Amino acid sequence: DTGVSQDPRHKITKRGQNVTFRCDPISEHNRLYWYRQTLGQGPEFLTYFQNEAQLEKSRLLSDRFSAERPKGSFSTLEIQRTEQGDSAMYLCASSIGGSSGYEQYFGPGTRLTVT
Amino acid sequence: AQKVTQAQTEISVVEKEDVTLDCVYETRDTTYYLFWYKQPPSGELVFLIRRNSFDEQNEISGRYSWNFQKSTSSFNFTITASQVVDSAVYFCALSPPGGYQKVTFGIGTKLQVIP
Repeated sequence: DTGVSQDPRHKITKRGQNVTFRCDPISEHNRLYWYRQTLGQGPEFLTYFQNEAQLEKSRLLSDRFSAERPKGSFSTLEIQRTEQGDSAMYLCASSIGGSSGYEQYFGPGTRLTVT
Repeated sequence: AQKVTQAQTEISVVEKEDVTLDCVYETRDTTYYLFWYKQPPSGELVFLIRRNSFDEQNEISGRYSWNFQKSTSSFNFTITASQVVDSAVYFCALSPPGGYQKVTFGIGTKLQVIP
């Protein structure tokens, strides 16, 4: 299977702990996106990479959140000092580059529960 | 600012009925892209269609059809002869032109097809 993969699929953590999620995009895709989805809502954009460059960050992404894509391949999203409000599904997506609005392909998500 | 409105939060139909999911969008861009995604109970978002704002032709793919009307800023999705497997949350989404796609999703419409 050559789709977008995310690890772990589920994470339960205690408030105040740090967590890190990994996303492996489709191999030929140079764009990678992170979204957050809470129950009953659509995905909300968090940040976007073109190759290894992080080109945009949503104001939803507080200082406790950081994302990297060091070699332009996989990406990590770290949340420091987790809060209960961080509980959500974190989705990763990838797409090919270019000036057109290419569709994004989503991974299965990482469900975070902060207790 | 971009906005996507899906006024129908939940719809129930009996199998084999036709159903239309409404999507209304707002954008100041003259060029933009519209998408529909399906999120089945398994949770993974599945891409269904991408539409360029220059192309107002309606599209049909099997039992699925899409009606794009720029004059009313709507991009509605119709499922003909619905099946139980169509039960899912459907998201309409909008992205701006240019070299990246910060996609704005609607809240989603939960479709339940009753056998």
